[in-house]
Amino acid sequence: NAGVTQTPKFRVLKTGQSMTLLCAQDMNHEYMYWYRQDPGMGLRLIHYSVGEGTTAKGEVPDGYNVSRLKKQNFLLGLESAAPSQTSVYFCASTPAGANYGYTFGSGTRLTVV
Amino acid sequence: GDSVTQMEGPVTLSEEAFLTINCTYTATGYPSLFWYVQYPGEGLQLLLKATKADDKGSNKGFEATYRKETTSFHLEKGSVQVSDSAVYFCALSQMNTGFQKLVFGTGTRLLVSP
Repeated sequence: NAGVTQTPKFRVLKTGQSMTLLCAQDMNHEYMYWYRQDPGMGLRLIHYSVGEGTTAKGEVPDGYNVSRLKKQNFLLGLESAAPSQTSVYFCASTPAGANYGYTFGSGTRLTVV
Repeated sequence: GDSVTQMEGPVTLSEEAFLTINCTYTATGYPSLFWYVQYPGEGLQLLLKATKADDKGSNKGFEATYRKETTSFHLEKGSVQVSDSAVYFCALSQMNTGFQKLVFGTGTRLLVSP
């Protein structure tokens, strides 16, 4: 199915471990985003990308890194996981230049113990 | 900066009741406004949008009107169904340095009982 695919869907990490979340979209969208969703906090932007090879910080970037080596993929890395990073992570994408709204993936539920 | 405020939930209704979920925003200029819906265990889906003042967005029986004078974009539905139980997010976007950034409210959970 066309859209935004996130892997994995669930993961449990120990404090200090590292991992990479993968987001892939097949809609040829220029812009891609990583959000985290926490109870009572809504969605908060971690990092975003406006094109292949470019990334920028959102409102809560600390503890995360990203890469966009290919237009269709946007990777979110946690170098040293902390319990505060327990959350549901959503990737989204949208075409450039118009208010089409975002297409979201189904999320990755991450627990850091 | 820009912000979106939604009514706190949960909103609990019986099937066929009328629904209103309030959303107000603070933003410069003329943002575009959106409602997203999140069903349990899923990502957010665009429900409807409005891009200028007095526009009405509608989809699946839901409606919202962009009110510039009251900076509001309240979501309404005349007769809710159990299947409408979900979390609803109001959001706005503005073009800024060439990219589109969505600012979300904290979400309102709707629970519809038979």
